[in-house]
Amino acid sequence: GQQVMQIPQYQHVQEGEDFTTYCNSSTTLSNIQWYKQRPGGHPVFLIQLVKSGEVKKQKRLTFQFGEAKKNSSLHITATQTTDVGTYFCAGRSNTGNQFYFGTGTSLTVIP
Amino acid sequence: DVKVTQSSRYLVKRTGEKVFLECVQDMDHENMFWYRQDPGLGLRLIYFSYDVKMKEKGDIPEGYSVSREKKERFSLILESASTNQTSMYLCASSLWQASYEQYFGPGTRLTVT
Repeated sequence: GQQVMQIPQYQHVQEGEDFTTYCNSSTTLSNIQWYKQRPGGHPVFLIQLVKSGEVKKQKRLTFQFGEAKKNSSLHITATQTTDVGTYFCAGRSNTGNQFYFGTGTSLTVIP
Repeated sequence: DVKVTQSSRYLVKRTGEKVFLECVQDMDHENMFWYRQDPGLGLRLIYFSYDVKMKEKGDIPEGYSVSREKKERFSLILESASTNQTSMYLCASSLWQASYEQYFGPGTRLTVT
Protein backbone atom coordinates (compact mmCIF):
# COMPACT_ATOMS: atom_id res chain seq x y z
CA GLY A 1 0.00 0.00 0.00
CA GLN A 2 0.86 3.64 -0.05
CA GLN A 3 3.63 4.66 2.30
CA VAL A 4 4.87 8.04 3.37
CA MET A 5 8.17 7.97 5.19
CA GLN A 6 9.86 10.78 7.03
CA ILE A 7 13.48 11.20 8.00
CA PRO A 8 14.95 11.64 10.46
CA GLN A 9 12.71 10.13 13.12
CA TYR A 10 14.37 12.26 15.81
CA GLN A 11 16.49 15.40 15.68
CA HIS A 12 18.18 17.29 18.48
CA VAL A 13 19.52 20.74 17.65
CA GLN A 14 21.02 23.62 19.57
CA GLU A 15 18.83 26.68 19.64
CA GLY A 16 19.72 28.82 16.63
CA GLU A 17 20.69 25.90 14.41
CA ASP A 18 18.72 25.00 11.31
CA PHE A 19 16.53 21.92 10.98
CA THR A 20 15.15 19.98 8.03
CA THR A 21 12.76 17.06 7.82
CA TYR A 22 12.15 15.12 4.63
CA CYS A 23 9.02 13.36 3.49
CA ASN A 24 9.04 10.68 0.78
CA SER A 25 6.13 8.89 -0.82
CA SER A 26 6.15 5.62 -2.70
CA THR A 27 3.62 7.05 -5.17
CA THR A 28 2.77 10.42 -6.69
CA LEU A 29 0.78 12.76 -4.50
CA SER A 30 -1.85 15.26 -5.55
CA ASN A 31 -0.98 17.52 -2.64
CA ILE A 32 0.86 17.50 0.63
CA GLN A 33 0.09 18.99 4.02
CA TRP A 34 2.30 19.63 7.01
CA TYR A 35 1.20 19.46 10.63
CA LYS A 36 2.89 20.22 13.94
CA GLN A 37 2.14 18.40 17.16
CA ARG A 38 3.43 19.94 20.37
CA PRO A 39 4.28 17.54 23.22
CA GLY A 40 1.03 16.40 24.82
CA GLY A 41 -1.01 18.10 22.10
CA HIS A 42 -2.73 17.20 18.89
CA PRO A 43 -1.62 17.80 15.29
CA VAL A 44 -2.24 21.31 14.01
CA PHE A 45 -2.30 22.17 10.33
CA LEU A 46 0.57 24.34 9.09
CA ILE A 47 0.33 24.49 5.31
CA GLN A 48 -0.67 22.74 2.08
CA LEU A 49 1.32 22.49 -1.14
CA VAL A 50 -0.30 21.53 -4.42
CA LYS A 51 1.92 22.40 -7.37
CA SER A 52 5.00 20.57 -8.56
CA GLY A 53 8.12 22.37 -7.32
CA GLU A 54 6.08 24.70 -5.10
CA VAL A 55 7.86 26.56 -2.31
CA LYS A 56 6.05 28.36 0.49
CA LYS A 57 7.39 30.27 3.48
CA GLN A 58 5.95 31.02 6.88
CA LYS A 59 8.40 33.24 8.75
CA ARG A 60 11.33 30.91 9.56
CA LEU A 61 9.68 27.84 8.01
CA THR A 62 10.18 26.92 4.35
CA PHE A 63 8.14 24.18 2.73
CA GLN A 64 8.94 22.55 -0.61
CA PHE A 65 7.05 20.10 -2.83
CA GLY A 66 9.23 18.07 -5.15
CA GLU A 67 9.10 18.31 -8.92
CA ALA A 68 7.85 14.75 -9.20
CA LYS A 69 5.33 15.32 -6.39
CA LYS A 70 6.68 12.35 -4.47
CA ASN A 71 8.65 14.19 -1.83
CA SER A 72 8.55 17.27 0.32
CA SER A 73 10.65 19.01 2.91
CA LEU A 74 10.24 21.39 5.81
CA HIS A 75 13.19 23.59 6.75
CA ILE A 76 13.32 25.71 9.89
CA THR A 77 15.93 28.48 10.03
CA ALA A 78 17.44 29.42 13.39
CA THR A 79 15.35 27.13 15.57
CA GLN A 80 13.76 28.40 18.76
CA THR A 81 12.49 26.46 21.77
CA THR A 82 8.95 27.13 20.57
CA ASP A 83 9.68 24.93 17.53
CA VAL A 84 9.80 21.82 19.72
CA GLY A 85 7.35 19.14 18.65
CA THR A 86 6.70 16.46 16.08
CA TYR A 87 6.28 17.47 12.46
CA PHE A 88 4.14 15.33 10.19
CA CYS A 89 3.65 15.44 6.48
CA ALA A 90 0.42 14.08 5.02
CA GLY A 91 -0.02 13.36 1.37
CA ARG A 92 -3.15 12.79 -0.60
CA SER A 93 -2.94 10.06 -3.18
CA ASN A 94 -3.69 11.25 -6.70
CA THR A 95 -5.97 8.25 -7.13
CA GLY A 96 -8.16 8.54 -4.10
CA ASN A 97 -9.60 10.58 -1.31
CA GLN A 98 -7.37 9.38 1.49
CA PHE A 99 -4.52 11.14 3.21
CA TYR A 100 -1.47 9.19 4.29
CA PHE A 101 0.43 10.61 7.22
CA GLY A 102 4.17 10.32 7.44
CA THR A 103 5.89 8.73 10.39
CA GLY A 104 6.82 12.10 11.85
CA THR A 105 10.04 13.82 12.91
CA SER A 106 10.41 14.70 16.58
CA LEU A 107 12.38 17.92 17.05
CA THR A 108 14.11 18.78 20.32
CA VAL A 109 15.67 22.21 20.65
CA ILE A 110 18.36 22.55 23.31
CA PRO A 111 18.51 26.07 24.78
CA ASP B 1 -12.88 28.42 15.80
CA VAL B 2 -13.42 24.84 14.76
CA LYS B 3 -13.83 22.60 17.72
CA VAL B 4 -13.41 18.84 17.71
CA THR B 5 -14.09 17.18 21.02
CA GLN B 6 -13.53 13.63 22.14
CA SER B 7 -15.46 11.98 24.94
CA SER B 8 -12.49 11.03 27.12
CA ARG B 9 -8.83 12.04 27.43
CA TYR B 10 -7.88 8.84 29.24
CA LEU B 11 -9.61 5.48 29.27
CA VAL B 12 -8.67 2.16 30.85
CA LYS B 13 -10.52 -0.95 29.75
CA ARG B 14 -10.14 -4.67 30.21
CA THR B 15 -9.45 -7.19 27.47
CA GLY B 16 -12.67 -8.29 25.82
CA GLU B 17 -14.69 -5.22 26.77
CA LYS B 18 -16.64 -3.27 24.17
CA VAL B 19 -15.28 0.26 23.92
CA PHE B 20 -16.93 3.34 22.46
CA LEU B 21 -14.93 6.45 21.57
CA GLU B 22 -17.02 9.45 20.66
CA CYS B 23 -16.05 12.45 18.56
CA VAL B 24 -18.07 15.58 17.92
CA GLN B 25 -17.29 18.52 15.63
CA ASP B 26 -19.13 21.81 15.58
CA MET B 27 -18.29 23.17 12.12
CA ASP B 28 -20.65 21.22 9.87
CA HIS B 29 -17.73 19.38 8.28
CA GLU B 30 -18.46 16.66 5.76
CA ASN B 31 -15.47 14.43 6.47
CA MET B 32 -14.51 12.82 9.73
CA PHE B 33 -11.59 10.53 10.49
CA TRP B 34 -10.32 8.19 13.16
CA TYR B 35 -6.57 7.64 13.55
CA ARG B 36 -4.41 5.83 16.00
CA GLN B 37 -0.99 7.17 16.88
CA ASP B 38 1.85 4.95 18.02
CA PRO B 39 5.51 5.89 18.53
CA GLY B 40 7.52 5.54 15.35
CA LEU B 41 4.47 4.74 13.25
CA GLY B 42 2.93 8.18 12.89
CA LEU B 43 -0.80 8.49 12.40
CA ARG B 44 -2.54 5.53 10.85
CA LEU B 45 -6.04 5.87 9.48
CA ILE B 46 -8.58 3.44 10.87
CA TYR B 47 -11.80 4.62 9.23
CA PHE B 48 -13.16 7.76 7.67
CA SER B 49 -16.59 9.02 6.74
CA TYR B 50 -17.49 11.51 4.04
CA ASP B 51 -21.19 11.71 4.84
CA VAL B 52 -23.78 10.59 7.33
CA LYS B 53 -24.10 6.81 7.39
CA MET B 54 -21.18 6.50 4.97
CA LYS B 55 -17.88 4.98 5.96
CA GLU B 56 -14.67 3.84 4.31
CA LYS B 57 -11.94 1.61 5.66
CA GLY B 58 -8.55 3.12 6.20
CA ASP B 59 -5.24 1.34 6.54
CA ILE B 60 -5.93 -0.59 9.74
CA PRO B 61 -9.67 -1.25 10.17
CA GLU B 62 -9.34 -4.73 11.66
CA GLY B 63 -10.82 -4.95 15.14
CA TYR B 64 -12.68 -1.63 14.78
CA SER B 65 -16.02 -0.43 13.52
CA VAL B 66 -17.53 3.05 13.22
CA SER B 67 -20.87 4.75 13.28
CA ARG B 68 -21.98 8.07 11.87
CA GLU B 69 -25.66 8.61 12.51
CA LYS B 70 -25.41 12.40 12.62
CA LYS B 71 -23.16 14.71 10.68
CA GLU B 72 -21.43 16.11 13.73
CA ARG B 73 -20.73 12.81 15.48
CA PHE B 74 -18.40 9.98 14.54
CA SER B 75 -17.98 7.03 16.87
CA LEU B 76 -15.22 4.45 16.95
CA ILE B 77 -16.12 1.06 18.39
CA LEU B 78 -13.78 -1.63 19.60
CA GLU B 79 -16.01 -4.71 19.65
CA SER B 80 -13.70 -6.71 21.90
CA ALA B 81 -10.74 -4.72 23.13
CA SER B 82 -7.32 -6.32 23.03
CA THR B 83 -4.00 -5.23 24.51
CA ASN B 84 -2.59 -4.40 21.07
CA GLN B 85 -5.25 -1.73 20.77
CA THR B 86 -3.62 0.26 23.56
CA SER B 87 -2.85 3.52 21.82
CA MET B 88 -3.63 7.20 21.38
CA TYR B 89 -6.78 7.66 19.28
CA LEU B 90 -7.26 10.90 17.40
CA CYS B 91 -10.39 12.08 15.70
CA ALA B 92 -10.30 14.70 12.95
CA SER B 93 -12.69 16.49 10.65
CA SER B 94 -12.32 18.43 7.42
CA LEU B 95 -14.61 20.64 5.44
CA TRP B 96 -14.90 18.61 2.25
CA GLN B 97 -12.68 15.96 0.71
CA ALA B 98 -9.27 15.24 2.07
CA SER B 99 -7.75 18.28 0.36
CA TYR B 100 -8.85 20.53 3.13
CA GLU B 101 -6.97 20.85 6.36
CA GLN B 102 -7.92 18.43 9.06
CA TYR B 103 -8.85 19.66 12.52
CA PHE B 104 -7.94 17.26 15.27
CA GLY B 105 -9.48 16.57 18.63
CA PRO B 106 -7.35 16.36 21.78
CA GLY B 107 -7.07 12.58 21.58
CA THR B 108 -8.04 9.68 23.82
CA ARG B 109 -5.30 7.62 25.37
CA LEU B 110 -6.74 4.13 25.67
CA THR B 111 -5.09 1.47 27.78
CA VAL B 112 -6.34 -2.09 27.52
CA THR B 113 -5.24 -4.34 30.38
